[in-house]
Formats: sequence, structure tokens, C-alpha cells
Amino acid sequence: DAKTTQPTSMDCAEGRAANLPCNHSTISGNEYVYWYRQIHSQGPQYIIHGLKNNETNEMASLIITEDRKSSTLILPHATLRDTAVYYCIVHDGGAGSYQLTFGKGTKLSVIP
Amino acid sequence: SAVISQKPSRDICQRGTSLTIQCQVDSQVTMMFWYRQQPGQSLTLIATANQGSEATYESGFVIDKFPISRPNLTFSTLTVSNMSPEDSSIYLCSVGRGRDQPQHFGDGTRLSIL
Repeated sequence: DAKTTQPTSMDCAEGRAANLPCNHSTISGNEYVYWYRQIHSQGPQYIIHGLKNNETNEMASLIITEDRKSSTLILPHATLRDTAVYYCIVHDGGAGSYQLTFGKGTKLSVIP
Repeated sequence: SAVISQKPSRDICQRGTSLTIQCQVDSQVTMMFWYRQQPGQSLTLIATANQGSEATYESGFVIDKFPISRPNLTFSTLTVSNMSPEDSSIYLCSVGRGRDQPQHFGDGTRLSIL
């Protein structure tokens, strides 16, 4: 699976949009971009995933650049409960291996 | 998404003993997986639990150390055998409904070996 690069940490004011970037310049054509988050003492929580098109669900929006070398996860109205480590993962959906490689992620702190 | 329950949530065990961790899902799922998260490390896939057949183990993991059962489409167990302090980790169950579908995780079992 392609390697991803994320900022180590970010702050966001409560109620504002949180924009979390991810670089995946070596992504291949059959690889998806997945986003998970992990709140302390809990298992990873799936947020959203996409292949080429932008995606939106009840939790977040995922913006993927046209060349697919980077993406941004957007939490439209961050709350204190969104404080967590966010992981950007590039994965081929299991065509090769089912292993999801969680890097170090971005620690998002939502500030009152 | 599926509700995934793991038991126990945590345990402290003596070296040389074995512990079986259970993973129960509230709906039928195609795929079930077991991961390990060692302290300060990322998640590592141990194996894919196959219903009705032997689990598929990743490199570095063997059936004698981590026997896995999957009797049906909603339940799986992972046993950590002959435990040593190096086995102190969080063990997580995840489930998936097919290729290209996201995996969903339980909250894990925190295991400490004395």
C-alpha cells in the first residue's frame, strides 16, 4: 500500500470546520483513500473512504485532488468529541492484503 | 455499521497461560479479522478468520501461538497461547462486508502479562 504523510498535530476551534490534509503521492489506480480516527482507549472508528470522487456522509467530507496525490478530510462543525487521532490510509480494498496500515496520524485537538 | 463486542475488555494474566478473546457481531459479516496493537505501535494484522475453515495467518504469526475459530458469520475467537510479557498488547477484532468495503473495529482487549 502507498505511504501517506500527515501533520503530527492540529488545533481547531469548537464549531469551526476542521480540515485535515494527507499526502499520498505514490497512490496507485486501484487504491482507495480511507480515513479512520481513534479516540483514547477505543478501537479505530471508520469515517469515510473514496477512490476518485469527493465523498460526503453524516460524519465528514472527503476531498480528493484530481491527480489523487493528496486528500483532505473535512469535519464541518468540530465538537469537543472530535478530539482524536485521525489516520489517512491508502488501501487496495483487499486485492492484495487486508492489512490496514495505520501510520502515526494527526492528533486533532478541538478547543472550546 | 455493525456493532462489535469484544470480551474481555481487559485482563492481567500470568506468563505461560492462555487466554481466549471473543468477538461478537450483531449481524452477519463476510469477513472477520484479528489485529494486535503493541504499546506505542500501529495495528498489525494477525489473521483473517474464515468461517468453516482454517484462518489465514499473516507473516510472523502462527496457528500454534494464535489459534482462531470462526464457527459462524457473527462470532470468532482468538486465543493467545503460552503467553509471555511480549504478548502484552491490545488485541482488536474487525469486520468487513467484502472487498472495497471498510473494516469496522471493536474496542479491543487490553492484555497485560506478568
